[in-house]
Amino acid sequence: QVQLVESGGGVVQPGGSLRLLCRASGFTFSSYAMHWVRQAPGKGLEWVASISFDGSNDYYADSVEGRLTVSRDNSQNTLYLQVNSLRLEDTAVYYCARDHEMWIPLWALSYWGQGTLVTVSS
Amino acid sequence: EIVVTQSPATLSVSPGERATLSCRASQNIGKNLAWYQHKPGQAPRLLIYGASTRATGIPGRFSGSGSGTEFTLTISGLQSEDFAVYYCQQFHDWSPITFGRGTRLDIK
Repeated sequence: QVQLVESGGGVVQPGGSLRLLCRASGFTFSSYAMHWVRQAPGKGLEWVASISFDGSNDYYADSVEGRLTVSRDNSQNTLYLQVNSLRLEDTAVYYCARDHEMWIPLWALSYWGQGTLVTVSS
Repeated sequence: EIVVTQSPATLSVSPGERATLSCRASQNIGKNLAWYQHKPGQAPRLLIYGASTRATGIPGRFSGSGSGTEFTLTISGLQSEDFAVYYCQQFHDWSPITFGRGTRLDIK
């Protein structure tokens, strides 16, 4: 069955960096666009980044552009999110999610991981 | 950026009754809308995509409708496991994905 397992979260000081990972199994990872969505404490879901099935295109929310980089290694079935210049407001659970459709994204997120918590605190 | 507005923020319904949740987009998005269920400590779950197509394994009591700017999620015969937060999400024409702020469905 489809599994997405995030890791890499933790406590980091403002201005610091983290690299989040999402390991995928149970489907052909290289055939699907992938997405990152976050949820700050007590808040709703916020899309932050997406990447095409082959990694040739990436997309970012305006609120994070320039500080986040999404990438993937299809040989390792792994999705990454590099988060730089962390701010207090980046504190959130970060989820990775798989697109519903192969190849051309539908931008509907059909499978999600359990999330990894990033806490930005001095 | 397309803004999606959900209403109400909180809805209290008795088990066995029907719940109707609304989502409005700030511009015409056709049928490019999805609905998700989210329970505390769990991963969000895709319920509906394309405004009205149920995702795999989603019970028939969940139905979506609408197009353009007005959308509805209806849950008929509410069961105890349906009480959660529901989000709509638009995905249109390469504009950034945006979620609504959610509707919390509480037991009355």
